[in-house]
Amino acid sequence: GENVEQHPSTLSVQEGDSAVIKCTYSDSASNYFPWYKQELGKGPQLIIDIRSNVGEKKDQRIAVTLNKTAKHFSLHITETQPEDSAVYFCAASEGGYQKVTFGIGTKLQVIP
Amino acid sequence: EAGVAQSPRYKIIEKRQSVAFWCNPISGHATLYWYQQILGQGPKLLIQFQNNGVVDDSQLPKDRFSAERLKGVDSTLKIQPAKLEDSAVYLCASSLSTGTGRGYTFGSGTRLTVV
Repeated sequence: GENVEQHPSTLSVQEGDSAVIKCTYSDSASNYFPWYKQELGKGPQLIIDIRSNVGEKKDQRIAVTLNKTAKHFSLHITETQPEDSAVYFCAASEGGYQKVTFGIGTKLQVIP
Repeated sequence: EAGVAQSPRYKIIEKRQSVAFWCNPISGHATLYWYQQILGQGPKLLIQFQNNGVVDDSQLPKDRFSAERLKGVDSTLKIQPAKLEDSAVYLCASSLSTGTGRGYTFGSGTRLTVV
């Protein structure tokens, strides 16, 4: 089955700096890669996703990149703000009815 | 639109007792998922329903866990008997589309503590 590895497990940045979270996946059949943000006491919320036919996608301060050959994908947050502090999960799926496999999560702390 | 509703929010039970969680998905969402999130880990899929049929229950410990989705709407997840290692947050999610993660909406979860 799919295995998603994520690092770092914790990340502290100064407000205004950039944050990068990296993930690798094992199943070459995976073609859909969502990222979720989980705040304390809440369920994960989808913030951005990318499909395997796209190398990069951007939404305001958030961008994701995908290297399908290396089976790497990354989340980039620019101009970080205190409200970006949360746990971020990467995930991978073959799409269709196939399940979504999550990484272990990265706890991001943005220091004002 | 109303989100995914889950109850209870918290539950503390002794090992070997039974417990049940309830989920009400977003109206019209045909696909429903139960995930287990152990502290410090990512969510792990336990079971996926499409309407009231099971699509994937390969990671559900069937000797103690059971789930049903009545009339393709609400769902319950039961653990009997509970073990210490079942302590986790149980997340329910629903979606319109089919298992791609897109359009997943998670509930706030039920935090289970087994003592």
